[in-house]
Parts: sequence; C-alpha cells; structure tokens
Amino acid sequence: DQQVKQNSPSLSVQEGRISILNCDYTNSMFDYFLWYKKYPAEGPTFLISISSIKDKNEDGRFTVFLNKSAKHLSLHIVPSQPGDSAVYFCAATLRTGANNLFFGTGTRLTVIP
Amino acid sequence: EAGVTQSPTHLIKTRGQQATLRCSPISGHTSVYWYQQALGLGLQFLLWYDEGEERNRGNFPPRFSGRQFPNYSSELNVNALELEDSALYLCASSFRTGRTEAFFGQGTRLTVV
Repeated sequence: DQQVKQNSPSLSVQEGRISILNCDYTNSMFDYFLWYKKYPAEGPTFLISISSIKDKNEDGRFTVFLNKSAKHLSLHIVPSQPGDSAVYFCAATLRTGANNLFFGTGTRLTVIP
Repeated sequence: EAGVTQSPTHLIKTRGQQATLRCSPISGHTSVYWYQQALGLGLQFLLWYDEGEERNRGNFPPRFSGRQFPNYSSELNVNALELEDSALYLCASSFRTGRTEAFFGQGTRLTVV
C-alpha cells in the first residue's frame, strides 16, 4: 500500500525553466514532508522540508508547496540547472512520533542544457 | 564530520545464504533506519532503531532483522536469501527528537544469485 505517490516517473525540463515535481499522499496523519535528491551510486540527500502547519517553504531555488485539503505537495525548482538532474523522492512522516519516513517511488528529473 | 557510512558497498550471495550489512551513523545521532530500494521501486522502510531498541518495523518478513550496538552503529541481517532480496539497502541516521531530516549513507548493493 503506497501511501506516498509520485505518479510521474520522469520529467524533462529546459535549463533555466521551472521544474515542478508532484507528490500525493493518502494518510491524513502525515504531518511533516520532505524532499530528497538522489544521484546514481549515492544515498539520497535532504533537500527541503515542510511542516503541515505551513503551506509553503522556500530555500533558494527550491520551494515546496503543501495543499493539505488535496493531500498534495509539489517541489518547484527555479531556475532549473543541469546539476539538478537526479531522482527526486518525496517523503512523509506520521504524527505518532514514529520517525520512519514513507517514500514515494521517485521522479527522475533531466534538465536539458 | 563523517557522514553515514555503510559496508560493504557491494555484496553477492547465493540463494539461501545469510547477508550482514553494516551502518555507522553520524556522530550524535541515536536513530538508525534501514530502507530497501528494489529495482523500479521507491524506498521501502525496513527497520528503525533508537537507543539500542527496535522502535518500528516495516512490512517485511521476520528473516529481515537487525540490531543496534551501544555505539549506535547497526547491522541488518537477511536470512534465507531469496532472489527478490536483490536491492540497494540504504541506512539513514537522525537525532531522535524533533523534526530533523535523516541523512543517508551511500547504500549496499546486495545481489542474490
């Protein structure tokens, strides 16, 4: 039962344009959401997070938006750079205090120079 | 500061054997998580250890087990290996309290033949 879903397995964007990666979740108990980036042969690295009490969090070129009513979050990268090409995972945690993350299946972003 | 380290990087075993994977967390982190990333799938949560105790377990059979040592390092053991256990096994560590992100190691690629 996949509680966090990334329905787009891949996305290609021109350098300088905006990349929008989407994520949907089914469990309303999730209260903290994270995005990780993964390069081949490396472990995922933390990118940005958002608490369920917020609807937007921004860090440089990266902004995460949370729509609780739709159980949807998105990651915006502006402007996209070739070095952003990687697999992006959306993750969520529960309110219960269990710290383990529930991950989506990932979206492979390719930024074309 | 050293990151999360995992060993070995690659491991080849035959069906029915046992595999042992090791993880050293970031200094100061007491929580260690294990995830499995099978081909084409997202990261599936396996186990969470904190302060030497198993705190949570994912939907995996009992032949997946582990432990956490007093120095907070951890082992993941997979008994009676099956072909479908072939995957990238990722370890992550974090502080126990608060909403801090987990930091991942580079993973152990387990191949069962």
